[in-house]
Amino acid sequence: AQKVTQAQTEISVVEKEDVTLDCVYETRDTTYYLFWYKQPPSGELVFLIRRNSFDEQNEISGRYSWNFQKSTSSFNFTITASQVVDSAVYFCALSDAREYGNKLVFGAGTILRVKS
Amino acid sequence: EAQVTQNPRYLITVTGKKLTVTCSQNMNHEYMSWYRQDPGLGLRQIYYSMNVEVTDKGDVPEGYKVSRKEKRNFPLILESPSPNQTSLYFCASSRVTGVASYEQYFGPGTRLTVT
Repeated sequence: AQKVTQAQTEISVVEKEDVTLDCVYETRDTTYYLFWYKQPPSGELVFLIRRNSFDEQNEISGRYSWNFQKSTSSFNFTITASQVVDSAVYFCALSDAREYGNKLVFGAGTILRVKS
Repeated sequence: EAQVTQNPRYLITVTGKKLTVTCSQNMNHEYMSWYRQDPGLGLRQIYYSMNVEVTDKGDVPEGYKVSRKEKRNFPLILESPSPNQTSLYFCASSRVTGVASYEQYFGPGTRLTVT
């Protein structure tokens, strides 16, 4: 069965600190996709990144970076030099290619609070 | 502007009073889906649709109905709402190509309270 675990319920940091959000997934399939979404206090869900299981290259986008390690079934998200605007709930999600369609299985989310 | 819209954004209703939450997308996406978000549980899929007239149950379909008569619209129907359906609901859409999974674009959410 598919499962996504975000063990960190809530993280608080001070502005300019680096912070890593952990994501561990379970799937029986060899072809799958991983996603991160951001939910700011306004409530909308914002897509951040999509990664397929065959691409283990790490990705960097500005202050954001993602570390995908199939050996440990992890897809961690790091924010460098955090800012107050990064305060949000972050969700990791998995889509298994065996499943018909695009079903996303979400983790419970990590609340990130960045204090000035 | 590419977007998914939902209406209403907020709704307070009473047990048993039928309601419909509308969802519309302007990206010509084949795939549409409904999720509910509850504290500590993340988002869970209620129903999804691969295309017009093709719908199927997600993980938590009990108490909900959907229909897909047009590609752009995917309404969520609660025939007899109960307090345990109090939640934040999201509609989403994405393209579909073979077995690849693409990012889903979400609507702004509908906060439903059933008393």
